[in-house]
Amino acid sequence: GAVVSQHPSRVICKSGTSVKIECRSLDFQATTMFWYRQFPKQSLMLMATSNEGSKATYEQGVEKDKFLINHASLTLSTLTVTSAHPEDSSFYICSAKRSYEQYFGPGTRLTVT
Amino acid sequence: DAKTTQPNSMESNEEEPVHLPCNHSTISGTDYIHWYRQLPSQGPEYVIHGLTSNVNNRMASLAIAEDRKSSTLILHRATLRDAAVYYCILSPSADGLTFGKGTHLIIQP
Repeated sequence: GAVVSQHPSRVICKSGTSVKIECRSLDFQATTMFWYRQFPKQSLMLMATSNEGSKATYEQGVEKDKFLINHASLTLSTLTVTSAHPEDSSFYICSAKRSYEQYFGPGTRLTVT
Repeated sequence: DAKTTQPNSMESNEEEPVHLPCNHSTISGTDYIHWYRQLPSQGPEYVIHGLTSNVNNRMASLAIAEDRKSSTLILHRATLRDAAVYYCILSPSADGLTFGKGTHLIIQP
């Protein structure tokens, strides 16, 4: 299978600050990448679809001005959580699409204090 | 995405085959059946996908009913590392996937 990395794996930040999470496709070029969020004991929820060179498409209920997504190259997408609040604490997971498969990163655990 | 129904949990013994069922009675003609699994505190892992014919890969086999209203993921010889939540997902492509609650597979040594 393909390899997708995320950085950082874990981050703690203060309320009101911004946090950037990087997602890299290491062994293939990904035109389309996705961002998911997973709260404890719950399943993954799709936040947005990121297409290289164009604006991201956000799912209903996800604030595009709060969760900024940039997909500037075929191997890198970034998610910036702006003005983070404790309710944004979650496990953020990215994935890269190749053909009919998605390859997921290991996830980033965000804790906002 | 069309809805799937999976048992909440299943238990199996190590080194025995495991059959994980998935019902999807409202599947459309263009929906592929995708299976992913997730270990605790990790991102999901692609397992297998299929459209109409049964599929085999190094991880598992996917048996699809003739009417496509159900499918079964088969792990031929379970190991402790196969303990995970298994998700059955319908989608015409591999675009943004809708994850349900999945089946929590427990493997007994």
